Amino acid sequence: GAVVSQHPSRVICKSGTSVKIECRSLDFQATTMFWYRQFPKQSLMLMATSNEGSKATYEQGVEKDKFLINHASLTLSTLTVTSAHPEDSSFYICSARDPSDYGYTFGSGTRLTVV
Amino acid sequence: ILNVEQSPQSLHVQEGDSTNFTCSFPSSNFYALHWYRWETAKSPEALFVMTLNGDEKKKGRISATLNTKEGYSYLYIKGSQPEDSATYLCSSLVTSGTYKYIFGTGTRLKVLA
Repeated sequence: GAVVSQHPSRVICKSGTSVKIECRSLDFQATTMFWYRQFPKQSLMLMATSNEGSKATYEQGVEKDKFLINHASLTLSTLTVTSAHPEDSSFYICSARDPSDYGYTFGSGTRLTVV
Repeated sequence: ILNVEQSPQSLHVQEGDSTNFTCSFPSSNFYALHWYRWETAKSPEALFVMTLNGDEKKKGRISATLNTKEGYSYLYIKGSQPEDSATYLCSSLVTSGTYKYIFGTGTRLKVLA
């Protein structure tokens, strides 16, 4: 089945620095990818929808200047957390539509800790 | 605000026991219900997609039912095994102009050998 590779799986960064998270579709083309965030004991929350070749669509309350999304090719979408703060510490996960069926394929997630 | 709720939040069962848990979702603007199995440090694995009221799906020892009128889905595991230990996540796909997935918080299952 379709595979989405997400890196890094875990990152610790200093407050004020930027962190880039990558999601690659390994064996299919993903024109759209979705970025989610999950705080402890809460649901996965959609942050933004990444569209290849165009601007991402952000959910209400998500700062587009802080969470930069780039989807420059059909197999790669990146999320950059700029000027990270401790409150950005969370679990970030991406997903893409699996063209072989009705479902969505997820990356393995990135645990971000900002110290 | 549309919420998807799952219960229980967590449970422990003995190997061989059968178990089930619930996903409740708003029935308005409903399009599809997804169940995922999510092991720690791995990607969520799609188990089932259901769209029609009364749908039942089965995959090995795991099955699921859907009631769109009252807004709930049950996931059943028959004869639980330690390898079934995971978080079971449901999400509702709703449509009101655009499509959007709403996730529950998951049910964390631990099967004790």
